[in-house]
Amino acid sequence: GENVEQHPSTLSVQEGDSAVIKCTYSDSASNYFPWYKQELGKRPQLIIDIRSNVGEKKDQRIAVTLNKTAKHFSLHITETQPEDSAVYFCAARGPRGGFKTIFGAGTRLFVKA
Amino acid sequence: DVKVTQSSRYLVKRTGEKVFLECVQDMDHENMFWYRQDPGLGLRLIYFSYDVKMKEKGDIPEGYSVSREKKERFSLILESASTNQTSMYLCATTTVGSAYEQYFGPGTRLTVT
Repeated sequence: GENVEQHPSTLSVQEGDSAVIKCTYSDSASNYFPWYKQELGKRPQLIIDIRSNVGEKKDQRIAVTLNKTAKHFSLHITETQPEDSAVYFCAARGPRGGFKTIFGAGTRLFVKA
Repeated sequence: DVKVTQSSRYLVKRTGEKVFLECVQDMDHENMFWYRQDPGLGLRLIYFSYDVKMKEKGDIPEGYSVSREKKERFSLILESASTNQTSMYLCATTTVGSAYEQYFGPGTRLTVT
C-alpha cells in the first residue's frame, strides 16, 4: 500500500545550526506534500507545503525540496532556534485513495541553546 | 479561523466499554478524518468522511466505527474498548478544492484499563 518513510526519527542540533529531515513516498501519483509541526501537548499545524509541479519552496527559515523522480522530499530549517523544537511530520497526498493523506512516523527535533 | 474541537482532552475507560469520541468543526468543511497517534508510528488514518452519511475506511479501521449525521460533526466509536486502543486520537478537517491543509483538533488521550 501507500507509504511514507521519514528519517531521522530523532534529530538534535545546536542553536543556529541547520536541520534537515528527509522523506520518501511510494505512490508516484502523489501530488501534494505538506509538513506539519507538533509542539509538545499541542495539535499538528501546517508549516509549509509543496505541490508536485514545484521543485522547491521557501518561507523565511524553512524550505522544502521535492525530487519527483526519486520520490524524495526534504524539510530544511536554517538558523535553528529553541522554539523550533517539536515533532515534525511529512505527508503525501495524491489522487488515488480519495482525500487520504499518508503521514510519516515523525521526527523529534531538539534544538539545544 | 478554523475551529476544530473534540469532546474530551483526556478519557479513561475500562476494557469492554463502548466509547464515543466526538469532533465538531465550524468551517463547513466537507472532509473529516480520525487518526490515532502513537510514538514512532506517526498519524495513522482510522476512518474518513467526505460527506454527510458517507464514510471510508482508512488504514486501521478494525475495532472502530464512525458516524456522520451532520456536516459539522464526526464521531468515532469504539464498540468494545481494548487496551491496545489506548492512544491519542486526533480529528482533522479539510475543504474540497485546491486547499489541502488539514486542520486538527486538540486531540483526545484515551486510556483503556
